Amino acid sequence: QVQLVQSGAEVKKPGSSVKVSCKASGGTFSSYAISWVRQAPGQGLEWMGGIIPIFGTANYAQKFQGRVTITTDESTSTAYMELSSLRSEDTAVYYCARDETDIVAFYWGQGTLVTVSS
Amino acid sequence: QSVLTQPPSASGTPGQRVTISCSGSSSNIGSNYVYWYQQLPGTAPKLLIYRNNQRPSGVPDRFSGSKSGTSASLAISGLRSEDEADYYCAAWDDSLSGPCYVFGTGTKVTVL
Repeated sequence: QVQLVQSGAEVKKPGSSVKVSCKASGGTFSSYAISWVRQAPGQGLEWMGGIIPIFGTANYAQKFQGRVTITTDESTSTAYMELSSLRSEDTAVYYCARDETDIVAFYWGQGTLVTVSS
Repeated sequence: QSVLTQPPSASGTPGQRVTISCSGSSSNIGSNYVYWYQQLPGTAPKLLIYRNNQRPSGVPDRFSGSKSGTSASLAISGLRSEDEADYYCAAWDDSLSGPCYVFGTGTKVTVL
């Protein structure tokens, strides 16, 4: 059974960066895409981008281009999402999700709350 | 903002059938599979339907999905109190700037 365990909550200042991790266990890490999805307080889900570890090239939503970097470390089965130039509107719960074959976001992490506040 | 449109709310009494619509366009629903996710209060989303109408193991057959043209729908039959949650449709969008996974605006289902 695949499990995704994310890093803990973060509080950041405006203008800084945050890096959230997502460690996978069970299944094959390298072959299936990992996506990052965020949810602002009281709002809906928003896809930020994704990566297939074995290929290493990430695909980002246009809204986050230039501000987000998604990477993976196959040696530890961990995916990372780094968001820079943080602003208050980036306060949200950030989720990682992993595909199963071509089924998008089959497994989800527990979420990481990132609070941006001065 | 979301490119897939859902009604903000839906409700029903226990045992009733509730249907949630999801409206998109030719670049997303019209040319790609539709997914549905259920998000219970305070928890991470859970995959409910994939490839328009397939259920992962463990999802009750009370949940069913369908797609026609650029729209899709999720039906919950025999509504139960534990179905009270937010529901999101999603699909890949073949935009000019590259493929993007888009979510619907979300529908809150209330069991009366």
